[in-house]
Amino acid sequence: EIVLTQSPATLSLSPGQRATLSCRASQSIRSYLAWYQQKPGQAPRLLIYDASNRASGIPARFSGSGSATDFTLTISSLEPEDFAVYYCQQRSNWPPITFGQGTRLEI
Amino acid sequence: QVQLVESGGGVVQPGGSLRLSCAAAGFTLSGYGMHWVRQAPGKGLEWVAFIRNDGNKNYYADSVKGRFTISRDNSRNTLYLQMSSLSTDDTAVYYCAKDFGQATGHFDYWGQGTLVTVSS
Repeated sequence: EIVLTQSPATLSLSPGQRATLSCRASQSIRSYLAWYQQKPGQAPRLLIYDASNRASGIPARFSGSGSATDFTLTISSLEPEDFAVYYCQQRSNWPPITFGQGTRLEI
Repeated sequence: QVQLVESGGGVVQPGGSLRLSCAAAGFTLSGYGMHWVRQAPGKGLEWVAFIRNDGNKNYYADSVKGRFTISRDNSRNTLYLQMSSLSTDDTAVYYCAKDFGQATGHFDYWGQGTLVTVSS
């Protein structure tokens, strides 16, 4: 099973700042990584798939990069609605599909 | 627009059974694989099961294998999860999620979730 480790666990920033979230895989997953945003009481929402492709309707301030074992989600300038929990997820050689433990982005 | 609406959650005793449903709208269900993903209270996301678009291939997480069965009725635009031998560890919000394609392993749409509580 591929283990995804996200860092940091919590990131405290202010609106307008740049956010950088990391996800490390226990073995190479090529570019088969997605990022999801989850707000309290809501379902997750797909932001990025296959490491760097923005999902439909996702603002350009969200970008993803990386390959093999190291991946990054960058939010270029935080908006108030961006404060949420972010999960990475891999689909390399599944099943199983696995998720990281999440990064909480807080004000 | 794509809509996924789960139902069937509730309180069940340990050892009991429950069947969840997920009604799909806004897309052709028969063209896509479908998944169940769960989230225990205050915890992260855990993939549970997958069924291919034609229903002829299923995968399960080890934690539910032999106890849960995923199925679908494309004519009714509905996905199911039959859960048996439930334990307190199965307490979670259960989401159905649409696969990007037939079996990509990424989820592009999610339902709002249904809460399953296993408690005596």
